[in-house]
Amino acid sequence: GENVEQHPSTLSVQEGDSAVIKCTYSDSASNYFPWYKQELGKRPQLIIDIRSNVGEKKDQRIAVTLNKTAKHFSLHITETQPEDSAVYFCAASAPSGGSYIPTFGRGTSLIVHP
Amino acid sequence: EAEVAQSPRYKITEKSQAVAFWCDPISGHATLYWYRQILGQGPELLVQFQDESVVDDSQLPKDRFSAERLKGVDSTLKIQPAELGDSAMYLCASSFPRTGTYEQYFGPGTRLTVT
Repeated sequence: GENVEQHPSTLSVQEGDSAVIKCTYSDSASNYFPWYKQELGKRPQLIIDIRSNVGEKKDQRIAVTLNKTAKHFSLHITETQPEDSAVYFCAASAPSGGSYIPTFGRGTSLIVHP
Repeated sequence: EAEVAQSPRYKITEKSQAVAFWCDPISGHATLYWYRQILGQGPELLVQFQDESVVDDSQLPKDRFSAERLKGVDSTLKIQPAELGDSAMYLCASSFPRTGTYEQYFGPGTRLTVT
């Protein structure tokens, strides 16, 4: 089955700095890679995703890059703000039966200090 | 905005008892997921339905866990008997892959404590 490794487990930055979270996956069949943000006590919410036919995708201060050959993908947050503080999860998803079967990483706790 | 509903939000039970969780996905969403999330870890997929059919249940401990989605709408996850190690947050999510988007919408979760 798929195995997703996520690093670091904790990331502390100053407001305005950039933050980078990295994930690796093992199953070459995975071709959909979403990132979810989970604030304390709340449900996970999708913040950005990327398909394997794309190398990079950007949405305002958030970007995701994908290297299929190396089987790794990264989340980049620029100009971090205190409200970016949360746990971020990556996932690698393989197609199955018209849907995708996701495997999540263990999460990165991002702390943005004002 | 439509949301995934789950109940109960909290459940405390003694080990060896049976518990059941309910999930109502966003209307029209064909795919439904049940996850277990242990504190400090990512969601672990237990079972995935496409309409009423199981797509994947390879991580579901079938000796004690069962899940059904009889009419392809709402779903129930059952644990019998519950064990101390089952204490976790149980999340339900749904998505609508037929539109070409695969975003999962999560419910608020059921926090289970087994004593």
